Amino acid sequence: EAQVTQNPRYLITVTGKKLTVTCSQNMNHEYMSWYRQDPGLGLRQIYYSMNVEVTDKGDVPEGYKVSRKEKRNFPLILESPSPNQTSLYFCASGEQGRQPQHFGDGTRLSIL
Amino acid sequence: SQQGEEDPQALSIQEGENATMNCSYKTSINNLQWYRQNSGRGLVHLILIRSNEREKHSGRLRVTLDTSKKSSSLLITASRAADTASYFCATDQAGTALIFGKGTTLSVSS
Repeated sequence: EAQVTQNPRYLITVTGKKLTVTCSQNMNHEYMSWYRQDPGLGLRQIYYSMNVEVTDKGDVPEGYKVSRKEKRNFPLILESPSPNQTSLYFCASGEQGRQPQHFGDGTRLSIL
Repeated sequence: SQQGEEDPQALSIQEGENATMNCSYKTSINNLQWYRQNSGRGLVHLILIRSNEREKHSGRLRVTLDTSKKSSSLLITASRAADTASYFCATDQAGTALIFGKGTTLSVSS
């Protein structure tokens, strides 16, 4: 089954404690992306990757890091999380950036 | 980045009625896509319409695109309670990535 898998689905943590949200896709897609969704603000892109070892900033990259060492994985790293990063996060993949994207089920992060 | 803007923000209808939601955008595009999001879940791709297309159908969905007005509409015919969700338009204004709007929340009551 074609899918994008995110882990964890839920996480409550404290300010400053480094965390990583994993994302994996099994569709051999070149393009992967991270979004955050906040009430009233819609989906905002954090980072995206056009292919292995190629990553670029989206609209709201501050406070986040990503890496793309393998085609299937695109982890999102919060080196020093802060409360304003409390949000619902989605990973997505597609054949290309303009093409239909497949979304994971989301990761709800709460940073206290 | 510039976003597509959906209108209305929220829409409540009865089962069996049609639901229409609109999307406006600001710059030229290659394609426009509509997505559905059930509460707290990931977005699901519904339909893609290219800039040289004016109308596209998929089951009970009908999408139109007017590039001169930089707008699109999504029509859901004979709505069902299961259509209750948020609907987003997305455009490739950025060239290499999709820009999502803030969404229309549709509530269909039985």
